[in-house]
Amino acid sequence: SQKIEQNSEALNIQEGKTATLTCNYTNYSPAYLQWYRQDPGRGPVFLLLIRENEKEKRKERLKVTFDTTLKQSLFHITASQPADSATYLCARSSNTGKLIFGQGTTLQVKP
Amino acid sequence: EAGVAQSPRYKIIEKRQSVAFWCNPISGHATLYWYQQILGQGPKLLIQFQNNGVVDDSQLPKDRFSAERLKGVDSTLKIQPAKLEDSAVYLCASSFSRRRGGNIQYFGAGTRLSVL
Repeated sequence: SQKIEQNSEALNIQEGKTATLTCNYTNYSPAYLQWYRQDPGRGPVFLLLIRENEKEKRKERLKVTFDTTLKQSLFHITASQPADSATYLCARSSNTGKLIFGQGTTLQVKP
Repeated sequence: EAGVAQSPRYKIIEKRQSVAFWCNPISGHATLYWYQQILGQGPKLLIQFQNNGVVDDSQLPKDRFSAERLKGVDSTLKIQPAKLEDSAVYLCASSFSRRRGGNIQYFGAGTRLSVL
């Protein structure tokens, strides 16, 4: 089956360091991957979208890479801050436009 | 612009009771989605509307769940009768279109349902 998987273990890092989150997919090649942020009690909020022909996408302190050989996307937050603490969701789009999400990775940035 | 509105925010019911959730998408967004998010998991699509027509309801438990989007604007999702395993957050999202792959979805805050 087509799967999209994220590390379910929480990631704990020190303020100022770079956080790197992983999204792996199997048995298919998505044309797009999207990354969302979700805070407790809130709905997901869109962060970045990357296409299969793009190696890298940046937005302020955020960077997403897409490696079709490894079947993997990496999400980086540089100079992390406690306010970056949240759950980050990776998702691929189906042909109908619906999103298929990974289980999310919780990031905790400690001051 | 106003975001996606959902109500209620919280609902507690007993099993076998019925419950309904309401969603008002962002103005002008043709596509509306209902997702179910169980604790510790990512959201899972229940049903997708394009205007007032159903695009995808393949994962909607149709024996107990129903949804409608009359007039192609706001939508309601109903569960009747509820089971314990329906305890989850129900998220509504909307997008301008359902363009393959590139559509950004905007989510409401969700309704947290507890079935006792």
